[in-house]
Amino acid sequence: GIQVEQSPPDLILQEGANSTLRCNFSDSVNNLQWFHQNPWGQLINLFYIPSGTKQNGRLSATTVATERYSLLYISSSQTTDSGVYFCAVGGAAGNKLTFGGGTRVLVKP
Amino acid sequence: GAVVSQHPSWVICKSGTSVKIECRSLDFQATTMFWYRQFPKQSLMLMATSNEGSKATYEQGVEKDKFLINHASLTLSTLTVTSAHPEDSSFYICSASPAGVGKQFFGPGTRLTVL
Repeated sequence: GIQVEQSPPDLILQEGANSTLRCNFSDSVNNLQWFHQNPWGQLINLFYIPSGTKQNGRLSATTVATERYSLLYISSSQTTDSGVYFCAVGGAAGNKLTFGGGTRVLVKP
Repeated sequence: GAVVSQHPSWVICKSGTSVKIECRSLDFQATTMFWYRQFPKQSLMLMATSNEGSKATYEQGVEKDKFLINHASLTLSTLTVTSAHPEDSSFYICSASPAGVGKQFFGPGTRLTVL
C-alpha cells in the first residue's frame, strides 16, 4: 500500500512565525487532503489538493504529484493553529485514505 | 454542505458488552463510508470500508466478527464493537464523500472507553 511520511513530527513556534509542513508519499495519488485535528478530535478539512497550489487565508498548500510530495504553509501563526496536522492520500477520488503520522504543532504566545 | 455526524460522541461500557456507533451523512448520499480508529497520540488507521447493500471490506488485521459493520442505507453506516474489552478503547471516526466529489468528510468521532 501507499506509504505516507510527514515531517517534522513536532514543531514549536512563536506566535507570528511562519512554518512549512511536509508530506511525502510513495506512489501516484488521485486524492490528497490536509487536515487539522482540533483538541476534541474533530478533523477539519483544510485542503483537497491532489495537485497544484491553493490558498485559504494564512494557510496555503502545494502538491507536486510528479515528485510525490505536498507542503502545507502556515504564515503568521496564531495560538489557535496549535494541534495536529495530518496529510492523507488516496489512490482514487472517493477511495480510502492512508494517513501520515501527523505533525504536532504548538504555537506559543 | 457535506456534513457527517456520529452518535454517540462518547460511550463508557463494561467489558463484555457490545456497543453500536452510528455514522450519518446529513446532506448527501454515500454509497461508501469508511471507519477509522485512532489511539492516543497516534495517527488514524483505516479499519474497514462500508458499502451500501453489501458486505464491508476489512483491512488486514481487523477482526470482522469483532467489528460488525452494517451499511443499511445511503445515509447510515453502523459499527458495532462486540464483546468489548479494554484494549478496544479508542477514538472511532467515520468518513464519507458525496458521489463525484473527491474529498472525504469526517464525522466528529466517538470516544469509546471499556472498563
